[in-house]
Amino acid sequence: GAGVSQSPRYKVAKRGQDVALRCDPISGHVSLFWYQQALGQGPEFLTYFQNEAQLDKSGLPSDRFFAERPEGSVSTLKIQRTQQEDSAVYLCASSLLRVRAKDQPQHFGDGTRLSIL
Amino acid sequence: SQELEQSPQSLIVQEGKNLTINCTSSKTLYGLYWYKQKYGEGLIFLMMLQKGGEEKSHEKITAKLDEKKQQSSLHITASQPSHAGIYLCGAEGGATNKLIFGTGTLLAVQP
Repeated sequence: GAGVSQSPRYKVAKRGQDVALRCDPISGHVSLFWYQQALGQGPEFLTYFQNEAQLDKSGLPSDRFFAERPEGSVSTLKIQRTQQEDSAVYLCASSLLRVRAKDQPQHFGDGTRLSIL
Repeated sequence: SQELEQSPQSLIVQEGKNLTINCTSSKTLYGLYWYKQKYGEGLIFLMMLQKGGEEKSHEKITAKLDEKKQQSSLHITASQPSHAGIYLCGAEGGATNKLIFGTGTLLAVQP
């Protein structure tokens, strides 16, 4: 497709369940980011991939959060043993690898709205 | 760590009026992005500024990065209902180009 695609758009889970969120980046985009956006706040960085390599996972809030991008395209964010504070919108963004002096903006998907009951 | 503060937090204007949104950083900005978000949707890229004093325009939206590169402004001329949404500024943080975002400015445009 032309843009970043995320699925599902909405996910409701009971506390303690595991969830998996999918991101299909724009074809050819090397960089892939995951962000978490709480209600009324700006997005907060979770993790970054360059191709299949996870180069930065400093934003993952706990070891219950796990992300992968095994073939360098589609990425999955998994949350184990979900808790109510995990309720948020999870945004995926992709970009071309930044080239000096060229604009390489991140393009965002519509997000997955996760609600933990 | 770098923090971005946006002002105002929310804004209601009459259609046709001009408005300005500000983004102030606690550290020097090396790349400043403006995005727009509608409720329930992702972020739409508007503009990116890199150089001190740089100014870019797209349709009726103009963004500037001040000379000291610690503040950016977004100006909308002759606002329209289609401009309504949440405007977010984001700054590059770290070697991975991850973005650090402000809390956003909610804009409503009354017809």
